[in-house]
Formats: sequence, C-alpha cells, structure tokens
Amino acid sequence: KQEVTQIPAALSVPEGENLVLNCSFTDSAIYNLQWFRQDPGKGLTSLLLIQSSQREQTSGRLNASLDKSSGRSTLYIAASQPGDSATYLCAVRPWYGGSQGNLIFGKGTKLSVKP
Amino acid sequence: DAEITQSPRHKITETGRQVTLACHQTWNHNNMFWYRQDLGHGLRLIHYSYGVHDTNKGEVSDGYSVSRSNTEDLPLTLESAASSQTSVYFCASSEGRRKELNEQFFGPGTRLTVL
Repeated sequence: KQEVTQIPAALSVPEGENLVLNCSFTDSAIYNLQWFRQDPGKGLTSLLLIQSSQREQTSGRLNASLDKSSGRSTLYIAASQPGDSATYLCAVRPWYGGSQGNLIFGKGTKLSVKP
Repeated sequence: DAEITQSPRHKITETGRQVTLACHQTWNHNNMFWYRQDLGHGLRLIHYSYGVHDTNKGEVSDGYSVSRSNTEDLPLTLESAASSQTSVYFCASSEGRRKELNEQFFGPGTRLTVL
C-alpha cells in the first residue's frame, strides 16, 4: 500500500533563506506527483504537478524535483518570504500497471518564515 | 473566472440528522472528489466521480453518499451524522479528458461540527 511521508512536520526559518521540503513515498509506481499549499482555514492551492517521466518542474521561486526510483520528491523554495508561510502538502497518484489511482496525500510540512 | 465553490462554509448539526454539503464547479471538469481532513490523518478520499451518473467509494466512504446528476455538482450527503464525522470537508475537481491534465483543484472547504 502506497504511503506518503513528509518530514519535518514543521519548519521555521528566517526570511531570505533557501529551503527544501521533503516528500517520500513507498512505492515507485506512480503516475505523477503534485505539490499543494494550504493556508490556515483555506483550501488547497496546486503549486506544481510532475509527471512520472519528468525530473523537475519550476514555477517562479519554486522548484520541485522527482526521483521515482528512490521514492523522493523535494520542493525547493528560493529566497523565502513571510508570505510563504503555510502548510505544504505532497500527493502521489499511483500507477497500477495500466490505470491511475487516486491521490494519496502526505500529512504536510507546516512552514513558518520569520521576518 | 472558473472556480469551485462549497456551501455552507460552516455547519453545526446534531447526531442522527441528515446533512448535505454542496460542491459546484464551473470548469466543466469530468472528475470530482470529496475529501475529509483531520488532524493526524491528513486528507482522505470519501467518494469520487468520473462523470455524470458515475460514483465510486473512496477510502472512508462509510456513512456518506454522493450522486452526480450533472457535470457541475457533486453533493455529499451524511445519512445520519455522527460525532466522528466532525471534520473539514474539501471538494476537488480535475479535467480528466486527457490523462496528463489531471491536476486537481480544490474548493475552500466546509467545516462540519456534529454535536
């Protein structure tokens, strides 16, 4: 059974730091992986979607990488800002040898960027 | 702009009552999903639909039902609300016609309290 883990559960950094959020998954048979941001009391906002054939995706100050064979993805945030404070969720879509499964979520990393 | 909305945003009900949470999307997406989010569990899939008149059970479907009579709406019904169903509920949708376009977009959530 696919499991998704995000470590650490919480992270506090000073403004301006470059940082990396980690996501690991137990089964390398995935169709894609999606990173989300969730602000307190709000829904999830999609940040980046990486297909299984891709190694990375970039959007502005965000860069997500995928290493399927090792079951890992990282979300790199450059020059962090207080507005980046939120919970970041990773979700994988399993691949069942011909069909896609539904998204399986990690529990998230709560990021706090201090001014 | 296209969007996904949920109503009500907050609901307090009593044990045993039937409750229906609404989800409406204007993207003309084929796929719609209902999740619940609880501390310590992350996001878990309740039900999903890949098109009109199609519904499927997710990981935690007991006590919930959905119906899909049109493309835009997927209401979630709690047949007889229980305190264990106190949670934040999120609706999501994805395009679905092309496999590579299955990025999910989320609504703002409904906070349900069952007393």
